[in-house]
Amino acid sequence: LAKTTQPISMDSYEGQEVNITCSHNNIATNDYITWYQQFPSQGPRFIIQGYKTKVTNEVASLFIPADRKSSTLSLPRVSLSDTAVYYCLVGDGNTDKLIFGTGTRLQVFP
Amino acid sequence: DVKVTQSSRYLVKRTGEKVFLECVQDMDHENMFWYRQDPGLGLRLIYFSYDVKMKEKGDIPEGYSVSREKKERFSLILESASTNQTSMYLCASSSPVGRVDGYTFGSGTRLTVV
Repeated sequence: LAKTTQPISMDSYEGQEVNITCSHNNIATNDYITWYQQFPSQGPRFIIQGYKTKVTNEVASLFIPADRKSSTLSLPRVSLSDTAVYYCLVGDGNTDKLIFGTGTRLQVFP
Repeated sequence: DVKVTQSSRYLVKRTGEKVFLECVQDMDHENMFWYRQDPGLGLRLIYFSYDVKMKEKGDIPEGYSVSREKKERFSLILESASTNQTSMYLCASSSPVGRVDGYTFGSGTRLTVV
């Protein structure tokens, strides 16, 4: 299975930009890269999805290099309510299964 | 607007009991999934289904079974609950091109086996 790795944790302060990177060394050719946010005792919630280059929506941006072996979720001007665990989700190039990243716990301080 | 509903938020069961976790989605999705989530282990796929009466094993199917008699309902069954099945269980659904749209998750069921 592809290894889909993320930093275990990150700290930030309110108003800062936060960038979380996911490494996926064997991503399926035709699959999208999706990012989720999860609060304690809740299911993951869809944030953003992209295939290549850059995607932006009202809450985040997603940067994907040409080789697609990684992706970076960018959260502009984080607030305390952005404290959560963030997961990437990609398709594995060998098995065609969808693989969640290891998750990054973001802590935002006032 | 709740779209994926898991029947219980918290459950406490005894070792050896048969446990049913129910999941219902109202988005007419073909694909449904059961994951368990444990600290340090992330989300692990137990079973999934791409159609009614169809099921496929995920990465950790041992000790579990599933049932999909109707499109909107996907049940996870613990035939004989054990303490190592204490976990958060998450149900998700997606459309046939769900790899494009992504998953919609339920709120989760925190199961404790004593």
